This record gives sequence, structure tokens and C-alpha cells, in this order.
Amino acid sequence: AQSVTQLDSQVPVFEEAPVELRCNYSSSVSVYLFWYVQYPNQGLQLLLKYLSGSTLVKGINGFEAEFNKSQTSFHLRKPSVHISDTAEYFCAVSESIPRAAGNKLTFGGGTRVLVKP
Amino acid sequence: SQTIHQWPATLVQPVGSPLSLECTVEGTSNPNLYWYRQAAGRGLQLLFYSVGIGQISSEVPQNLSASRPQDRQFILSSKKLLLSDSGFYLCAWSYKVAYEQYFGPGTRLTVT
Repeated sequence: AQSVTQLDSQVPVFEEAPVELRCNYSSSVSVYLFWYVQYPNQGLQLLLKYLSGSTLVKGINGFEAEFNKSQTSFHLRKPSVHISDTAEYFCAVSESIPRAAGNKLTFGGGTRVLVKP
Repeated sequence: SQTIHQWPATLVQPVGSPLSLECTVEGTSNPNLYWYRQAAGRGLQLLFYSVGIGQISSEVPQNLSASRPQDRQFILSSKKLLLSDSGFYLCAWSYKVAYEQYFGPGTRLTVT
């Protein structure tokens, strides 16, 4: 079984400042990693994913994340945030073993980002 | 392109009443389908998932049930709602050979 820990429940940040959202995971097998964003009263939108290859992954809206296997982390970063980045961000993990019974995601508790002008 | 619909968008129901939430996916066939609940201020809890018509797996014991009567239709039901059933219900789909999931707009359920 896997688990995901998002270390910060809330992150206030000023507009045009950088932001980093921390995500650590635990798993007994190899995993794939994802970041999702949820705007108020909406569903989740996939920001980026790590399946294999380069450990630095670029996603939509200027976000990027780095997979660190030794530290079991997948932190999300953006060099300069906008007011529109105010949202909740979820880190998720899936076992990399395909299962006929379906591939499930395990989500972290989420990090609320509040961008201040 | 693929789209996922959920309805209703919001619902207010009294305790003890029945529930039926519907999710439909367009633009793909034979997807995996998922129901999640998001309680206020908390993360996502996987409730049910389905890999095919009539195939439902339950993640947590509760008074909810799910059904998949058609390939791209996923229904969440309850015979008698509890106050604790209040929350934001999200449906998601994925390709069979992929791992990322794509989410619908959600249904806000308030049980009074």
C-alpha cells in the first residue's frame, strides 16, 4: 500500500513570488506520481505527471516538479505565481504495476495556495 | 476529445432520503471509472471503481453503492442518506493502460 504526505496544508505567497509545495510518498513498489489542481467548487485538473525518464517534469501553467527517488519526494514548484494560481493542489501516487482490477491513485491531503497581491 | 459529465451539480437532501448521482463519459470506450468523496477541508477518498459493465469494487464500507449499467455510465446511490454523507462527490475516468485519471466537475451534496 502507498501513502502520500503533503507537508503544508496552507501556503500563503505574494504575487510574482516563487512557490514550492512539498510532497513525500511511501510505497513498497515503484510508483508513478501526479500533481492535480482544484479551483473552488470544481473538479481536479491534471498539472503534470512522472512516469519515467527525466526526473524534472514540466506541466501546464508554468509548474514543474522534480522526482527524487532517494528522498521519496515529488515537490511542485513555480518560479512566479499569479493571483489565478490560488487553488488547492493535490499530490497523488499510483503503483507502476498494471493491474487488471484497475489502477488506483492515492492522494495526499492537499495544500491550499493563497496568492496575495 | 473526451469529456466527463456529472449531474446534478448541487443537491440538498434530507436525512433518510435516497440518492442517485450520475456520471457519464464521452469520447472514449471501455474506460475505468471512479467515484471519490471530498469532505470539507479534507482530501479525496476513493469510494468505488469499475473496470467494466457490472464490475464494481468498493473501497470503504458505507451506506453507498455504485452501479455501471452501461459502458460509459457510472451511478452512485444510497437508499437512506446520513448527515455524514455530505460532501463533494467527484467522478473520474482513466484509460485501461494509463494511470492518470480525469475528473468531472463534481456534485455538491448537502444532507440536512
